[in-house]
Amino acid sequence: QVQLQQSGPGLVIPSETLSLTCSVSGYPISDGYFWGWIRQPPGKGLEWIGNHHYIGDTYYNPSLKSRVTISVDTSKNQFSLKLTSVTAADSAVYYCASTDTAMVAVVFWGPGTLVTISS
Amino acid sequence: QSALAQPASVSGSPGQSITISCTGTSSDVGTYDLVSWYQQHPGKAPKLMIFENSKRPSGISNRFSGSKSGSTASLTISGLRAEDEADYYCISYAGSTTFFVLGSGTKVTV
Repeated sequence: QVQLQQSGPGLVIPSETLSLTCSVSGYPISDGYFWGWIRQPPGKGLEWIGNHHYIGDTYYNPSLKSRVTISVDTSKNQFSLKLTSVTAADSAVYYCASTDTAMVAVVFWGPGTLVTISS
Repeated sequence: QSALAQPASVSGSPGQSITISCTGTSSDVGTYDLVSWYQQHPGKAPKLMIFENSKRPSGISNRFSGSKSGSTASLTISGLRAEDEADYYCISYAGSTTFFVLGSGTKVTV
């Protein structure tokens, strides 16, 4: 059973970079799945950020593509999100997620991290 | 990246059935049989309820069923229970360029 645990700061200064890490247990990230991130502003709906295929390709939401990087560290069995030049509109609960490559559905979710953008 | 259209809210009485629609386009729902549905209770992460339009993961009640016709997918909850009160989202695969398109979410009230 895949388990996801998130880490990273809950407060980020406007114009700086948001960085979150998702540690995976129960499954080697180099063996399968898309590893990615979805966010949810307070009181609003879900927004897909991006996915990294275990073989290597990465896919990003076109509206965020210029500011987002998803990277994988197989030695630590974890993956990370970096979002640059953040504004208050980037305040949200950020979920890391595992997407099955065949059914293309999000099968495992992290617990979520509330990130607030404020000075 | 346009969101998939869902009704903002749907309500029903215990024991009744309700259906939530998820309308996309020929670029996403209409082309791929890869619509999934998620249930989200307040303060919790979403939970997969349906994948590939109509398949249930292990452990999901058969009161939940999915279907698709053209560019519209639907989630039906039968025998409505108090614990079904939650937000529901659809997600569709949309090809390697766009990848995912997400629904706007539906609040189900029992």
